[in-house]
Amino acid sequence: QKEVEQDPGPLSVPEGAIVSLNCTYSNSAFQYFMWYRQYSRKGPELLMYTYSSGNKEDGRFTAQVDKSSKYISLFIRDSQPSDSATYLCAMSLNYGGSQGNLIFGKGTKLSVKP
Amino acid sequence: GAVVSQHPSWVICKSGTSVKIECRSLDFQATTMFWYRQFPKQSLMLMATSNEGSKATYEQGVEKDKFLINHASLTLSTLTVTSAHPEDSSFYICSEGLETQYFGPGTRLLVL
Repeated sequence: QKEVEQDPGPLSVPEGAIVSLNCTYSNSAFQYFMWYRQYSRKGPELLMYTYSSGNKEDGRFTAQVDKSSKYISLFIRDSQPSDSATYLCAMSLNYGGSQGNLIFGKGTKLSVKP
Repeated sequence: GAVVSQHPSWVICKSGTSVKIECRSLDFQATTMFWYRQFPKQSLMLMATSNEGSKATYEQGVEKDKFLINHASLTLSTLTVTSAHPEDSSFYICSEGLETQYFGPGTRLLVL
């Protein structure tokens, strides 16, 4: 079983739809959870960063972490064509920034059709 | 979040030559930076941790003599791909941060 599982898609939705992206993981010790957005031929851009369980909202984006189920989600409301990208989940045991121990999902490719 | 730049954004070279990629932290003094490689339709793979003023730490399976890393200042880390071969063609991305990682725009390398 891989440490982080993420459905690669592709996922195609009409403009304005609510998008749900998900990752499951096996290591219950993960404490920091992130979502990155990566446009084609660009570096990943940090969207959301969450510590432990709970919800976090930022504009049209909501991140949820359910540690009991080892499941994290990213919701995008009122999706726009500019949201078309690959979304990567990532997680770490501790401070992933300075210690480099981020574990990534394979990414879900999202396409939002006008 | 942190701002990271990379140069060049893309490079084409002949097999057997060496290529240097620069990673700069523009607003943060980074004692630690990271180098990743990403093949098409794959996720990011950590290659090595670049430590300012000391040797880099390489992940298992990454040849340290082939991928030379230098982190001579708090704002600059370089990755040199030595004697590049076509199989080294990939997207190389650096990152830095504290609580999480912020990535540079990436460098696309094509070895002919």
